[in-house]
Amino acid sequence: AQRVTQPEKLLSVFKGAPVELKCNYSYSGSPELFWYVQYSRQRLQLLLRHISRESIKGFTADLNKGETSFHLKKPFAQEEDSAMYYCALKPSNTGKLIFGQGTTLQVKP
Amino acid sequence: DTEVTQTPKHLVMGMTNKKSLKCEQHMGHRAMYWYKQKAKKPPELMFVYSYEKLSINESVPSRFSPECPNSSLLNLHLHALQPEDSALYLCASSQVGAELYGYTFGSGTRLTVV
Repeated sequence: AQRVTQPEKLLSVFKGAPVELKCNYSYSGSPELFWYVQYSRQRLQLLLRHISRESIKGFTADLNKGETSFHLKKPFAQEEDSAMYYCALKPSNTGKLIFGQGTTLQVKP
Repeated sequence: DTEVTQTPKHLVMGMTNKKSLKCEQHMGHRAMYWYKQKAKKPPELMFVYSYEKLSINESVPSRFSPECPNSSLLNLHLHALQPEDSALYLCASSQVGAELYGYTFGSGTRLTVV
C-alpha cells in the first residue's frame, strides 16, 4: 500500500528551539518525496523535494530508505514558521500525489 | 507567470444548481489536477489530466465532471451536489514527466452546498 504517515497532528515549540516534523512512508518502489507548507489563508506551497537536497527557509529533509522516513528539520524555529506542513509521496510513473495527514507547527514567542 | 489561478474564490450553490469551477495556468504545464480538501485534512486527489486527456479518476461521483478544453485551462462542472461536498477545491499543475520538481497549486475555490 502507498501511504504517508505524519504521526503528530500538532507540534508546539518555542522560538529558537529545534524542530523535527516526522514523516514515514510506505511504498515498494523508489519514492519521490516532498514537503509542502500551507500558511494561514495561503495556498499550498512546495517547501522541499528530496531530489534536490536543498535547504529552504532553514529547513532540510533527508530521505532515509532504511527507516522509510523523510523527516523535516530546522535547527532554530521562527514564529513565521507557524503553519500546516504536509509530507507527500509521488509514486513512480504516475502524476498522483499522496499526502500525509499534516502536522500543524506552532512556534511560540 | 508562475501561478495557477482559480475562479471563483468562493461559491455557494444549492443542491439543484449547476455551476463550474475554473482553473488557469500559463506555465506550459501539460498535467493538471483537481484536489478536494476538507477542513484540517490533507488534499485528496480527484482527477488528473495529462496532455488534455483524463488519465486518473479517483472514483469520483459523476456529479463532478472535469473538462480540459486546452492546455491552459481546467474546469470542474458541478451538478446536484450534496452538502457533504462542501470543501476547498484545489487545482494544481506540473510538467509531465517532471513532477518530481513539484506541483504548483492554486489558492482554491471554497464551495458551500446548501
